[in-house]
Amino acid sequence: DTEVTQTPKHLVMGMTNKKSLKCEQHMGHRAMYWYKQKAKKPPELMFVYSYEKLSINESVPSRFSPECPNSSLLNLHLHALQPEDSALYLCASSQDFDTSYEQYFGPGTRLTVT
Amino acid sequence: AQSVTQLGSHVSVSEGALVLLRCNYSSSVPPYLFWYVQYPNQGLQLLLKYTTGATLVKGINGFEAEFKKSETSFHLTKPSAHMSDAAEYFCAVDYGGSQGNLIFGKGTKLSVKP
Repeated sequence: DTEVTQTPKHLVMGMTNKKSLKCEQHMGHRAMYWYKQKAKKPPELMFVYSYEKLSINESVPSRFSPECPNSSLLNLHLHALQPEDSALYLCASSQDFDTSYEQYFGPGTRLTVT
Repeated sequence: AQSVTQLGSHVSVSEGALVLLRCNYSSSVPPYLFWYVQYPNQGLQLLLKYTTGATLVKGINGFEAEFKKSETSFHLTKPSAHMSDAAEYFCAVDYGGSQGNLIFGKGTKLSVKP
């Protein structure tokens, strides 16, 4: 099973709402990633978790808060977002962090902030 | 700064024609190299990767890529395009070390004409 699942598929939220994006993998991968992708652009790395600990935070605003409850789950908590945060949010996982292992991507959550 | 360049933001071919998508990286030290495909409103799917060994790498869906150190290139080819190949293609590099994160090219949109 090489699948990364993400829920919800679509999310519309107001600027005062609090919502969460969820990501799950059952491949035994120890590294998990959040990316943000704007239209017609490549994915931009936001956060990396390695062995359930936050390893990289690419200077992401605090209105985005990641959480890794266990080795299979990754959440992204959203609060007080701005319209410019509307994008496709992709989760990925890889067997390990500091190697050449490929990343497996989920289908993404299409987020619209109104 | 290390980077990856994809020549041509949009490539159009006829069905049955050769597909050639270009990718160049910027380091004298060969990185790990990947090609991903993204269909509309979906996540990224790994087509193929190069780490070490044979310089001609075969991937899924009939795609292959050749690593050429002298040209710092990793171009993606397919002998005969199919309508289902229409998608966005991203070249990505991982220079290894402790970062372990991908540097993506800007992407090339492939259109296939009947």
